[in-house]
Amino acid sequence: TQLLEQSPQFLSIQEGENLTVYCNSSSVFSSLQWYRQEPGEGPVLLVTVVTGGEVKKLKRLTFQFGDARKDSSLHITAAQPGDTGLYLCAGPRPNQAGTALIFGKGTTLSVSS
Amino acid sequence: DTAVSQTPKYLVTQMGNDKSIKCEQNLGHDTMYWYKQDSKKFLKIMFSYNNKELIINETVPNRFSPKSPDKAHLNLHINSLELGDSAVYFCASSPWTDRYGYTFGSGTRLTVV
Repeated sequence: TQLLEQSPQFLSIQEGENLTVYCNSSSVFSSLQWYRQEPGEGPVLLVTVVTGGEVKKLKRLTFQFGDARKDSSLHITAAQPGDTGLYLCAGPRPNQAGTALIFGKGTTLSVSS
Repeated sequence: DTAVSQTPKYLVTQMGNDKSIKCEQNLGHDTMYWYKQDSKKFLKIMFSYNNKELIINETVPNRFSPKSPDKAHLNLHINSLELGDSAVYFCASSPWTDRYGYTFGSGTRLTVV
């Protein structure tokens, strides 16, 4: 059973479009993180959200943590080709503090110019 | 100044061979991890070490043996390689807390032929 479900699995859009990717769970997480992975590289941390309802902005990227801490979203405004990559959400296993992060299966984003 | 470095980047070997992957971090983190990323890009935790002590062994076959000579190094030795071991293996490190992100190495692509 996958604890973190990401959708959509694939997204192909034109430069300048907006998009949202989702990370959902039936479990409560103490925090969630978003990573971006480019081909041939390891994932790179974008943001950590900790408080239910929290919104964080990183330039054109907006991250939200659900009020109940069971879901998160990543919204990209005016996507650019440089945003292309695999977006992963991750969190510590619920009720198991100090364990390693578990990851969703990712959203592969392709932005064409 | 690479924060988490893994070697080698690529490893092609025959079934039945034994191979090692090395990982070093210069971030002063207490915890290090090995993750396996399969062909569908799913990242799965294999092992976690905190200050040289094994914390997580995620039902990985005992052909895989991690070793941590000090808290800056975590190596992965694989005996009797099988075709199904082909994947990208990532080393990562973090402070000892759920809420900080992981820093990943750039991965080792292992191909067993």
